[in-house]
Amino acid sequence: RKEVEQDPGPFNVPEGATVAFNCTYSNSASQSFFWYRQDCRKEPKLLMSVYSSGNEDGRFTAQLNRASQYISLLIRDSKLSDSATYLCVVTPDSNYQLIWGAGTKLIIKP
Amino acid sequence: EAGVTQFPSHSVIEKGQTVTLRCDPISGHDNLYWYRRVMGKEIKFLLHFVKESKQDESGMPNNRFLAERTGGTYSTLKVQPAELEDSGVYFCASSLPAGPSRNEQFFGPGTRLTVL
Repeated sequence: RKEVEQDPGPFNVPEGATVAFNCTYSNSASQSFFWYRQDCRKEPKLLMSVYSSGNEDGRFTAQLNRASQYISLLIRDSKLSDSATYLCVVTPDSNYQLIWGAGTKLIIKP
Repeated sequence: EAGVTQFPSHSVIEKGQTVTLRCDPISGHDNLYWYRRVMGKEIKFLLHFVKESKQDESGMPNNRFLAERTGGTYSTLKVQPAELEDSGVYFCASSLPAGPSRNEQFFGPGTRLTVL
């Protein structure tokens, strides 16, 4: 079983729609959680950290459910520029290394 | 402020040759990381430096890979001799000396390595 699992997609979504991704992680001792965004042939960039209380940044909302060991990302009013691969990332217990999911590809269509 | 830089951006070598990748972290970032993404797979951790010391090298695939960070500034990752399965994109990242709960890592553009 992979340490971080994501639906690879692609998710084909019309512009303006709301889209949600989930991700599950296997290590219950994981401490930190993130969503990264990666454009084609570019480096991953931090989209947002995910906190236990949930957090929102503009059109993006992230939630963490420790009991069920899943993380979600909600994108409202999607834009063409949101098309990218979204990577779910966790850090194990006290370690700094990032454990990556394989990513979910999102395609926003006009 | 300059971001993480990596050199070269692309490298094509033949099996058995040696390649050295370089990473310059963001100034003041004590933590430096190497990651690799092989085609069709997720990004995998290779190792973590704190200043010049290897904090965690549990992800290094084998002894053909050697990472250094002399002086605690830039880092090099040498692959010698390269094998076909070493092909992939090698990312470097750096972060401030903070606890893991706020460990935002900033990534360089990556080096795309192709071994023929």
